[in-house]
Amino acid sequence: EAGVTQFPSHSVIEKGQTVTLRCDPISGHDNLYWYRRVMGKEIKFLLHFVKESKQDESGMPNNRFLAERTGGTYSTLKVQPAELEDSGVYFCASSLWTGLSTQYFGPGTRLLVL
Amino acid sequence: DQQVKQNSPSLSVQEGRISILNCDYTNSMFDYFLWYKKYPAEGPTFLISISSIKDKNEDGRFTVFLNKSAKHLSLHIVPSQPGDSAVYFCAASVYNNNDMRFGAGTRLTVKP
Repeated sequence: EAGVTQFPSHSVIEKGQTVTLRCDPISGHDNLYWYRRVMGKEIKFLLHFVKESKQDESGMPNNRFLAERTGGTYSTLKVQPAELEDSGVYFCASSLWTGLSTQYFGPGTRLLVL
Repeated sequence: DQQVKQNSPSLSVQEGRISILNCDYTNSMFDYFLWYKKYPAEGPTFLISISSIKDKNEDGRFTVFLNKSAKHLSLHIVPSQPGDSAVYFCAASVYNNNDMRFGAGTRLTVKP
């Protein structure tokens, strides 16, 4: 069974540009999460989808970040316009249930904003 | 506001000895705690968990201890092996929520 996949693995963009990250969860997992790790700090929660609905987006830093999960399958996270402080590793995870259910992480997208 | 803290950024132990990784949390609503392990260029992988109704959970060489009154948990690895070298993240969540809050991680190095 395929795990969580993320694309691209790396992205280098200039400040002010737009970047879109994609996450494909494990098939059948209704729950999808986005996290970000900045400069070796904690892995910070961004938001949580249940199917196509945003269950919790309290971790989204500001309105430059837009996450979507149309159809409840894959998800995209768009950063527009990107700022220097957006650099970091963006992880996606998925789980079968909303409650106590192991979250499986993708390998992450390493974003560098210059 | 960092609700989960791992105050030791790194730990080095000799193969065969015990590794003890520590984690503190501030939010008393947390009732489910997890440890994740991360190798370079990979995402975190689930290692072991414990709910707040227990104070110990064991899985092979890995044991997690929870001290609710101190808001502290620890991960013990016995015996430590070189393959255990990785970054270990402590995470916490509210039972029916599953939105985890992570610590900053502790880099464990096990020397042969």
